[in-house]
Amino acid sequence: ELKVEQNPLFLSMQEGKNYTIYCNYSTTSDRLYWYRQDPGKSLESLFVLLSNGAVKQEGRLMASLDTKARLSTLHITAAVHDLSATYFCAVDLRGDKIIFGKGTRLHILP
Amino acid sequence: EPEVTQTPSHQVTQMGQEVILRCVPISNHLYFYWYRQILGQKVEFLVSFYNNEISEKSEIFDDQFSVERPDGSNFTLKIRSTKLEDSAMYFCASSVRQFGLREQYFGPGTRLTVT
Repeated sequence: ELKVEQNPLFLSMQEGKNYTIYCNYSTTSDRLYWYRQDPGKSLESLFVLLSNGAVKQEGRLMASLDTKARLSTLHITAAVHDLSATYFCAVDLRGDKIIFGKGTRLHILP
Repeated sequence: EPEVTQTPSHQVTQMGQEVILRCVPISNHLYFYWYRQILGQKVEFLVSFYNNEISEKSEIFDDQFSVERPDGSNFTLKIRSTKLEDSAMYFCASSVRQFGLREQYFGPGTRLTVT
């Protein structure tokens, strides 16, 4: 059964700092997603990573995928308070279902 | 921009009652999904649905759950006899799954509270 593990699960960081969230998964997949969720809200799609070596950037967030290592990273550059949220990585199993990690609750201190 | 909609946004029900959660997927999408998220926990897959049939379901999706597409636009999740542990946010999603497009688009969710 596919397992998706994120770390850390909680992250408190100062504004202006850089940090990386890691996502490991246990079986082959060609598609990985990163979502953002604000408290009580739905899932906002941030990135869709489709191939080995894929790197995508949007503002202060950059995601990458290494399918051989079964590892994806979400890097935050010069964090700002607005980025405080829970971030989920999720692995697509042939489009039939998405398996989510437990999420990383990110709290950015002013 | 087309989006998935869900009603109601919040449903409170008593244990043992039946509830129906409603979703309107994006109009040209062919595949439909339900996920749930217990407060503070991860999002869990419940069921996928295509061509008026369940294509896959998880262990969570037991005999108390059913899904239906009663007309050309709605997709519903029914819980026959709710339990306290069914309290969660329920998300509907839909996807095209054609031409290599597999991304699932999530609705805003229905918060179900079982008392």
